[in-house]
Amino acid sequence: EIVLTQSPGTLSLSPGERASLSCRASQSVQNVFLAWYQQKPGQAPRLLLYATSHRAAGIPDRFSGSGSGTEFTLTISSLESEDFAVYYCQQYGRSPLTFGGGTKVEI
Amino acid sequence: QVQLVQSGAEVKKPGSSVKVSCKASGGTFDTYGISWVRQAPGQGLEWMGATIPMFGTADYAQKFQGRVAITTDESTSTVYMELNSLRSEDTAVYFCARDRYSDGSNSYYYESAYWGQGTLVTVSS
Repeated sequence: EIVLTQSPGTLSLSPGERASLSCRASQSVQNVFLAWYQQKPGQAPRLLLYATSHRAAGIPDRFSGSGSGTEFTLTISSLESEDFAVYYCQQYGRSPLTFGGGTKVEI
Repeated sequence: QVQLVQSGAEVKKPGSSVKVSCKASGGTFDTYGISWVRQAPGQGLEWMGATIPMFGTADYAQKFQGRVAITTDESTSTVYMELNSLRSEDTAVYFCARDRYSDGSNSYYYESAYWGQGTLVTVSS
């Protein structure tokens, strides 16, 4: 199975700052089928990006994604207070689907 | 609007089984993949398996092979996840989630755009 490693584990930033979250895959992710999710305490995950760089419905354009092969990045251009949460990457190019361990973005 | 409503919290004894339901409404039911994802307390997300109802089969993570079964009742647009031989490490919130996209085949599961509210399963003697 494809193992996804996210870094850093925790990112301490202030509102207005830029956040860059990394997701590294143990094998190439087929068709750049990589998604990013945001999760807040007590809530289900929320889809942010799919196919590496496509924003899901209703996601603001301060969220962007890039990458290919085994290296992927989620960038939040200017953090808003509601962006402080845990972020997960997921590959769905090959079964079993797998998630990274998550990056917590905290104030 | 697609909605997924899951069954309520469960408390189970070690060695027993649990069956969680996920009822879908809005949109087309049988051509979209539905995954089950769990999250142990304070931990990350773990994909357990998925099905595309119209094909009648399911795929599972190797970790759960032989212990989990994902089934569908198309008449009620409900997907079930049954986990057997429960142990304390199975204590988690279990989510169902529906794919954003369908290509009409069973070649791929896709990103999960719609999520149920989660079902807490507690395994304790």
